[in-house]
Amino acid sequence: QQQVKQSPQSLIVQKGGISIINCAYENTAFDYFPWYQQFPGKGPALLIAIRPDVSEKKEGRFTISFNKSAKQFSLHIMDSQPGDSATYFCAATKVSGSARQLTFGSGTQLTVLP
Amino acid sequence: SAVISQKPSRDICQRGTSLTIQCQVDSQVTMMFWYRQQPGQSLTLIATANQGSEATYESGFVIDKFPISRPNLTFSTLTVSNMSPEDSSIYLCSVGSYGQNEKLFFGSGTQLSVL
Repeated sequence: QQQVKQSPQSLIVQKGGISIINCAYENTAFDYFPWYQQFPGKGPALLIAIRPDVSEKKEGRFTISFNKSAKQFSLHIMDSQPGDSATYFCAATKVSGSARQLTFGSGTQLTVLP
Repeated sequence: SAVISQKPSRDICQRGTSLTIQCQVDSQVTMMFWYRQQPGQSLTLIATANQGSEATYESGFVIDKFPISRPNLTFSTLTVSNMSPEDSSIYLCSVGSYGQNEKLFFGSGTQLSVL
């Protein structure tokens, strides 16, 4: 059972455009939603994260929009740059016993054309 | 944030052999996590390694295939045993932020190819 569904699988955007990646979750116990950015040959790096008590969080060109009732959240990359070309993973986390369980989406490969 | 060093960065191994991957963190952490990322796929948690106790494995992963050591609060190893081509993946070590492990920091990974 895929608890976090991510789309699209791949995305091509022109430089300066807006990249939008969407995720949906099923388990209402999730209480923290991070996004990770992964460049080839590197491990994922935390990009931005949001809690479900806010509807939007912005850090520079990166914005998370969160819709708690729809159980959906999305990453918007404004003024997309070729250096943003990477794989992006959404994730959701919840407490599980004495630790936290992190569930990743399937990933979106973003290509920003110069 | 934590700085995580993982060795080796890549290896090519023969079927039936074993490979041990090392993970060193620059600070003491309670939990260390091992993930697998198959080609073009997302990350799947293999196990959680606590210092001084047995690792906790996720469904589909067993200790005989992926033995883990956690001798201290800054170091862990993952062994991929009796390898087959299906084990070809990137293996990633990660640690959580202090307190709640809700933010994960990853090493650069070990790219394993099994012939």
